[in-house]
Amino acid sequence: AQKITQTQPGMFVQEKEAVTLDCTYDTSDQSYGLFWYKQPSSGEMIFLIYQGSYDEQNATEGRYSLNFQKARKSANLVISASQLGDSAMYFCAMREGGGNQFYFGTGTSLTVIP
Amino acid sequence: GAVVSQHPSWVICKSGTSVKIECRSLDFQATTMFWYRQFPKQSLMLMATSNEGSKATYEQGVEKDKFLINHASLTLSTLTVTSAHPEDSSFYICSASRQGPETQYFGPGTRLLVL
Repeated sequence: AQKITQTQPGMFVQEKEAVTLDCTYDTSDQSYGLFWYKQPSSGEMIFLIYQGSYDEQNATEGRYSLNFQKARKSANLVISASQLGDSAMYFCAMREGGGNQFYFGTGTSLTVIP
Repeated sequence: GAVVSQHPSWVICKSGTSVKIECRSLDFQATTMFWYRQFPKQSLMLMATSNEGSKATYEQGVEKDKFLINHASLTLSTLTVTSAHPEDSSFYICSASRQGPETQYFGPGTRLLVL
């Protein structure tokens, strides 16, 4: 089974609108971490936001927030007030337990329309 | 912040040559470094995990003799693509992590084109 599932290959959003990128995960560990990365066309992977499995509050970082629903095993990324520079690939990732290995989803390509 | 550099950013080489890619953590000591390969419009594929001073752990299907990884210090790991062929052309990304519940910090990647 896939550890991380991103079901939206491509998304479009109007500039200044909010957009939600979906991510579901699969693990039997009680302790895990969830991450979102942005990859623009330049190729670099930019860390956006982190949510720990024991964190009770949803993580927020500026215009990024993570909608963490533990029972549903989902960790959706919400980008508010989209900007043209947000156009990129977005990857959801998980690290289980005390391990170092990351499991990445297949990514969602976001296009912000002016 | 935690900065990871990767060099070179671009390399074009002839088939049969070997190519070395360096990954450095600039402002922290990386307990573990990771090497990924990414094909166009696809996700990152983990190739190997390396810890300083020990042999790298390769993922299934990755040829150890083809992709040599050396983790010489807590700030430097190298990936050598030996006897490169056109099918090795890809985007290679390294990342580094510190101890604890932290993210991986990625380098800017290296685009390899083998002619």
